[in-house]
Parts: sequence; C-alpha cells; structure tokens
Amino acid sequence: KAGVTQTPRYLIKTRGQQVTLSCSPISGHRSVSWYQQTPGQGLQFLFEYFSETQRNKGNFPGRFSGRQFSNSRSEMNVSTLELGDSALYLCASSLGAGENTEAFFGQGTRLTVV
Amino acid sequence: KQEVTQIPAALSVPEGENLVLNCSFTDSAIYNLQWFRQDPGKGLTSLLLIQSSQREQTSGRLNASLDKSSGRSTLYIAASQPGDSATYLCAVPITGGGNKLTFGTGTQLKVEL
Repeated sequence: KAGVTQTPRYLIKTRGQQVTLSCSPISGHRSVSWYQQTPGQGLQFLFEYFSETQRNKGNFPGRFSGRQFSNSRSEMNVSTLELGDSALYLCASSLGAGENTEAFFGQGTRLTVV
Repeated sequence: KQEVTQIPAALSVPEGENLVLNCSFTDSAIYNLQWFRQDPGKGLTSLLLIQSSQREQTSGRLNASLDKSSGRSTLYIAASQPGDSATYLCAVPITGGGNKLTFGTGTQLKVEL
C-alpha cells in the first residue's frame, strides 16, 4: 500500500514569499502531523490535524498555518518567509486519534529560503 | 515536560559488530516508544514501535527493549552492516497530546567496512 506522500520534494523561495506544502497520508489514516527539522533545533512539532480539526499546535508563529481536507490530505502554509524557515518539513500519518498509534513519515519537503 | 535524550550522539563501528543505542526519557507515563531511522536528507522510517506493556520488540536484526520505570529504551543492532549507517531517533507521544511526538536528539551511526 502507498506510503505518505509529500509534495514538492524541494522548494526554493525568496524572503517575504509564501509557500504551501502538501501531504497525502496513508489510505485510511485520519491524523496528519507536521514537523520542522533543522540541524540546530532537531525535530520540532508544528501541528496535528485529525478529521479536519487542528488538535495540537507547537510553538511557532502565526505565519505557520495548516489545514486538512475531508479526504485527510493536509497542507501547511508559511507566509512571509524568513531565512530561518529553511528546513526539512516532515509530515507524519497515523491511523487514530490516540497516543498509542504508530506514526509513518513521508520523505519530506526541503525548503530553502534565499 | 517530557525530555528525550540519546547517547551517544555519534558512533562509528566496524562491520559485523553488535551495537546498542540508548534512549532516555524523563516522564515514564508513556503509551509507547518508537524507533526511527533517517538517512541524510530523507524522511523517517519507522523501525519498531514498542508498547508500554511490552518489554521487547524484535524485527530482523533489530531488537528494542523498554524499561518504563527507569525511563530507558535500547535499540540493539546485531551484525551491523554498512547499510545500517544512518541517524537513529527515538520518540515518545506526549501524554494528552494526541499523536504529537517528542523526539530524541538522535545517534548518528557509521558502520565501516
């Protein structure tokens, strides 16, 4: 069965622009979580969506937003890009809503802000 | 606040050696612990998920153990191969946090010929 699909794989944007990243979870999975990975900060949680509702949010500014569609696909948006937003953005797919479900990750989107 | 640490940060071993990676967490009220592998610039691959009620979980040459009371997990890799070279991460869900995971800092493993 297909895994978690993230598009695009690579992006180069200019400071001040906005960007939208997409994540398609494993078929049947209803939870999608987003993480930012940088060499200095490691993996940091951005937000989680379950059944189109945001359930948790990490400590990121309001420039970072997301949404989930009825087919469980999720998008995250970053507005007014800053150089520090350059990172690998990872999406995780889980079957259920609780803490006891396994997370499966996509290959990530590498965002470079210049 | 749950904190997860991994020791060592980096490890270099000759091919064929058995090795142990360590993961420690401060809050023992966890539902499970998951081990991941990450190749450079790539996403995370789930290796093993060990439930809080389990002591061990095995997959091929990998064996993960969990001791909730002491806040520790180990990942044992038998007969290491160059293809095992990667960064290994452990992660635990945050109590009451749904699927939000707290990750360790990772162990970068290099298996040399």
